[in-house]
Amino acid sequence: AQKVTQAQTEISVVEKEDVTLDCVYETRDTTYYLFWYKQPPSGELVFLIRRNSFDEQNEISGRYSWNFQKSTSSFNFTITASQVVDSAVYFCALSEGSSNTGKLIFGQGTTLQVKP
Amino acid sequence: DSGVTQTPKHLITATGQRVTLRCSPRSGDLSVYWYQQSLDQGLQFLIQYYNGEERAKGNILERFSAQQFPDLHSELNLSSLELGDSALYFCASSVGGSGTSYNEQFFGPGTRLTVL
Repeated sequence: AQKVTQAQTEISVVEKEDVTLDCVYETRDTTYYLFWYKQPPSGELVFLIRRNSFDEQNEISGRYSWNFQKSTSSFNFTITASQVVDSAVYFCALSEGSSNTGKLIFGQGTTLQVKP
Repeated sequence: DSGVTQTPKHLITATGQRVTLRCSPRSGDLSVYWYQQSLDQGLQFLIQYYNGEERAKGNILERFSAQQFPDLHSELNLSSLELGDSALYFCASSVGGSGTSYNEQFFGPGTRLTVL
């Protein structure tokens, strides 16, 4: 069965520290897509990145980077030199290719607090 | 701003009542998704419509129903409301069509429902 696990419920860091948010997924599909979304205190969900199961290249976007490893079924998210504005709840999500519906299966989320 | 609009922003009602939540997708998006976010269940997929037709169903209660109209806006109807239905209800949209699992979803600001 499909599942996304974000084992870290809450993380607290001091500004400028690096922080990694873990995401482990389960699926029987060979084609699937992984996503990260950010939910700031204002409440909306903001799309950050999408990765497909055939592309294991790591991705970097500014201070954000993502490490996708099929061997460990993980899709981890690192924020370098964290800032107070990074404080939010971060969700990892899975979409299975066989469904062709786009239904997102979310992890429980990791609350990141960045202190000044 | 994701381009997805949801009304109302807040809704307070009593047990046993019925409410309707409304969503307008981004211009050009044919797929609409509804999600429920609650403290105990996290973010859960409810239902998807694509170009007016139901495409996928998640753990949606029988008391809940949805539809997508010819102008592509969607409504989520919640009836016989219970205290446990209090949650944040998100609507999301995507381009849809083939490869729907691949498309990122853009989320509206949500409707916060409080059942007293």
